[in-house]
Amino acid sequence: DSGVTQTPKHLITATGQRVTLRCSPRSGDLSVYWYQQSLDQGLQFLIQYYNGEERAKGNILERFSAQQFPDLHSELNLSSLELGDSALYFCASSSTIYPYEQYFGPGTRLTVT
Amino acid sequence: DQQVKQNSPSLSVQEGRISILNCDYTNSMFDYFLWYKKYPAEGPTFLISISSIKDKNEDGRFTVFLNKSAKHLSLHIVPSQPGDSAVYFCAASAYDMRFGAGTRLTVKP
Repeated sequence: DSGVTQTPKHLITATGQRVTLRCSPRSGDLSVYWYQQSLDQGLQFLIQYYNGEERAKGNILERFSAQQFPDLHSELNLSSLELGDSALYFCASSSTIYPYEQYFGPGTRLTVT
Repeated sequence: DQQVKQNSPSLSVQEGRISILNCDYTNSMFDYFLWYKKYPAEGPTFLISISSIKDKNEDGRFTVFLNKSAKHLSLHIVPSQPGDSAVYFCAASAYDMRFGAGTRLTVKP
């Protein structure tokens, strides 16, 4: 158990809809990262938040957005969903101590039908 | 940007033999390197790491080698076991962390 929790575990929705994925980092970790893994491909970095502020942005679509709340949990919002958005979405958290090793949650499997 | 590359998408090895997974990087600012292991339907878990001041780090059956001049690192698993079958991600850290695409290792009994 990494200490990172993600809900829900599975999500099935229709094209055009909007969903919210939730992540709670390990206790004490200020950074949260979101990744997308499609069809056994690599981990695509989406976005990083640090203590409520956006720190880095990767290959995140404009239809996607994220935020980190004062209690440090984070939400990833996916809107106008397309079939190609079906994937595993992982959240990771890291400490403020170098080398900022990341601990991953179990992931949310999103299926868009 | 593909700063961390794992050029072999898959590797198949016989049980008891050595597994060698390779990773190349382009950013010379990376100074810490990690390997993660991922089973299906689970999040990646940390396996082993190495600092750029070292060229080798060993943990049981797992050894990571770093060749800074070649910007190359490798993970050796000896002896390989069927339970090692998973996807292995290489990651490199500077101000943040970048992951490779992963290599699927299959260890056959």
